[in-house]
Amino acid sequence: AQRVTQPEKLLSVFKGAPVELKCNYSYSGSPELFWYVQYSRQRLQLLLRHISRESIKGFTADLNKGETSFHLKKPFAQEEDSAMYYCALRENFGNEKLTFGTGTRLTIIP
Amino acid sequence: EAGVAQSPRYKIIEKRQSVAFWCNPISGHATLYWYQQILGQGPKLLIQFQNNGVVDDSQLPKDRFSAERLKGVDSTLKIQPAKLEDSAVYLCASSPSWRSGNTIYFGEGSWLTVV
Repeated sequence: AQRVTQPEKLLSVFKGAPVELKCNYSYSGSPELFWYVQYSRQRLQLLLRHISRESIKGFTADLNKGETSFHLKKPFAQEEDSAMYYCALRENFGNEKLTFGTGTRLTIIP
Repeated sequence: EAGVAQSPRYKIIEKRQSVAFWCNPISGHATLYWYQQILGQGPKLLIQFQNNGVVDDSQLPKDRFSAERLKGVDSTLKIQPAKLEDSAVYLCASSPSWRSGNTIYFGEGSWLTVV
């Protein structure tokens, strides 16, 4: 069965410092990986997906199939990045169910 | 574009009582999902509909949870009887279809507290 692991429940980073939120997955097929973000008092929303290979709000994430990882990175943290971040995996066959990790709460220290 | 609408936003009930949550997906979205998010955990899929048919309900506790999407548009999730461990946020989400490449959009959630 597919599994998504986010080892850090909490992460605090100083403003301007680099950010890396870790995500590892286990899945026998070829998955689609996502990062979702939930800002305070807002709904869960898509931040980025690996197939788009784009940078959103300065964040990037590269799928490393060898290490089964999809870490989220940003070179210079901003205060507005404080939020809850969830890594998610979507199967590429069958019902294409989305499986979430437990999330990492990122706090940017001014 | 209007987002996924859910109601009620907050509900407190006693154990063994029943509760129902309503969801109206984004117009035209064929796929509708109900997720359960317990405090400190990520969202867990309870049930997935494609139009009015069930695609996946493998993680739905069918002895107490039920969901329907009769006309392929809005949906209702019911819990009867509720247990203390059902305290969670119930998230409804929708997407144009269940195929890869389609973004899933979430509602604000319905917060349930069972006392």
